Amino acid sequence: DQQVKQNSPSLSVQEGRISILNCDYTNSMFDYFLWYKKYPAEGPTFLISISSIKDKNEDGRFTVFLNKSAKHLSLHIVPSQPGDSAVYFCAAKKGGSEKLVFGKGTKLTVNP
Amino acid sequence: DAGVIQSPRHEVTEMGQEVTLRCKPISGHNSLFWYRQTMMRGLELLIYFNNNVPIDDSGMPEDRFSAKMPNASFSTLKIQPSEPRDSAVYFCASSLSGGGNQPQHFGDGTRLSIL
Repeated sequence: DQQVKQNSPSLSVQEGRISILNCDYTNSMFDYFLWYKKYPAEGPTFLISISSIKDKNEDGRFTVFLNKSAKHLSLHIVPSQPGDSAVYFCAAKKGGSEKLVFGKGTKLTVNP
Repeated sequence: DAGVIQSPRHEVTEMGQEVTLRCKPISGHNSLFWYRQTMMRGLELLIYFNNNVPIDDSGMPEDRFSAKMPNASFSTLKIQPSEPRDSAVYFCASSLSGGGNQPQHFGDGTRLSIL
């Protein structure tokens, strides 16, 4: 069973607009969530994270929102840039564990 | 600073052959992870080590797969004998564990094709 789900395989937005990537999880034991970005032929790179004690974390153009009651998190990119075009992975871990569980990714395309 | 280094970047071999993938973690990191990425299953954890000791190998698909970490700066993932269904991209990642939520840093992967 998939504990971390990214239901949109792809997303296309215009440069300058907001990109919203969504992620749902099923395991209530998860208490830390991360977003990774991946370019072709490269490994995933860490982007931003959030602890379950928070509902928002911001880093420049990137903001992650967490809704624990809905078991849902989202990544907002504002404004979107063509260089943001990549596959974005949501990941989650339980407290005290180092194991990350990844979603299958959403391919973001930002059109100039 | 050097990131996680994996070799080879690409490997093409015939079914039944032994395959060895190599990983050098970031210096100072004490946790090392092996992942496999496929279209069907996405990115899945195979095994991880902490301070060179295997902690969780529940993701290793079967006995044909084995992993070692003889020292803090080197790990191998071996498949023997290899099968076409092992074709995937294999990633190694490392992190600094021991309190706090440190992100894992990934290498650029080994693309493995078994003919």
